Amino acid sequence: KAGVTQTPRYLIKTRGQQVTLSCSPISGHRSVSWYQQTPGQGLQFLFEYFSETQRNKGNFPGRFSGRQFSNSRSEMNVSTLELGDSALYLCASSPGHGDYNSPLHFGNGTRLTVT
Amino acid sequence: QKEVEQNSGPLSVPEGAIASLNCTYSDRVSQSFFWYRQYSGKSPELIMSIYSNGDKEDGRFTAQLNKASQYVSLLIRDSQPSDSATYLCAVNPGGGSGYSTLTFGKGTMLLVSP
Repeated sequence: KAGVTQTPRYLIKTRGQQVTLSCSPISGHRSVSWYQQTPGQGLQFLFEYFSETQRNKGNFPGRFSGRQFSNSRSEMNVSTLELGDSALYLCASSPGHGDYNSPLHFGNGTRLTVT
Repeated sequence: QKEVEQNSGPLSVPEGAIASLNCTYSDRVSQSFFWYRQYSGKSPELIMSIYSNGDKEDGRFTAQLNKASQYVSLLIRDSQPSDSATYLCAVNPGGGSGYSTLTFGKGTMLLVSP
C-alpha cells in the first residue's frame, strides 16, 4: 500500500508570494491533517480535513488555508508569505472514522524556504 | 491549552544500554498516546501506541502509561547507534467526534554512542 505522498519536496519562495502544497493520503484514509514543524516550536497542528470538511483548526492566521477533494487528496495554501513561514510542512493521514486510537501516518514533508 | 512536555535532551547512552524517554501531558481526559521517531531531515514514523494503563512491549521497545500521573514513557532496550534520533510523544485528546488530531511534544534527542 502506497504511503502518504507530498509534493513538492522543496520550495523556495519570496516574501509576499503565495504557495500551494499537495498531499495524497494512504488509500482508504479519509482524514488528512497538516502540521508545521520548526526547530523552535516543534510540530504544530494547522488543520484537519475529513470528507471535504475542515473538522479542526489550529492557532494559525488566516493566511493558512486548506481544502480537501472528493478523492481525499488535500492542498494547503499559504498567502502573503513571511520569513517565519519557513518550515517543514507535514501532511498526515488516518482512517478518520471516529477512532481516536488510529495513529497518524506522515508523508515526507515539503521543505518551504521563504527569502 | 493542551500541552505535552518532553525533556529536549540530548539523552546520551552507550550502545547496549537502556534508554528511558519521558513525557507528561496536561489534558487529564486524553485517550491515546503515541511515540514517533524522527531522524534528522526525515518525517516522523510511528514506533509505539498505547491506550491503557500499564506496559506495552514491542521488540526492544516498551511503552508505559500512567493516566493518574499523566505520564507516558518509552524504554528502548539494547540501544543501538541506529536508534539515535528525536523521539516525539504525541497525545490524542479523544472525544466523541473522533478527531484525528494529535498534540506533539517538542521531542527528546537520543544519542547512542558505539
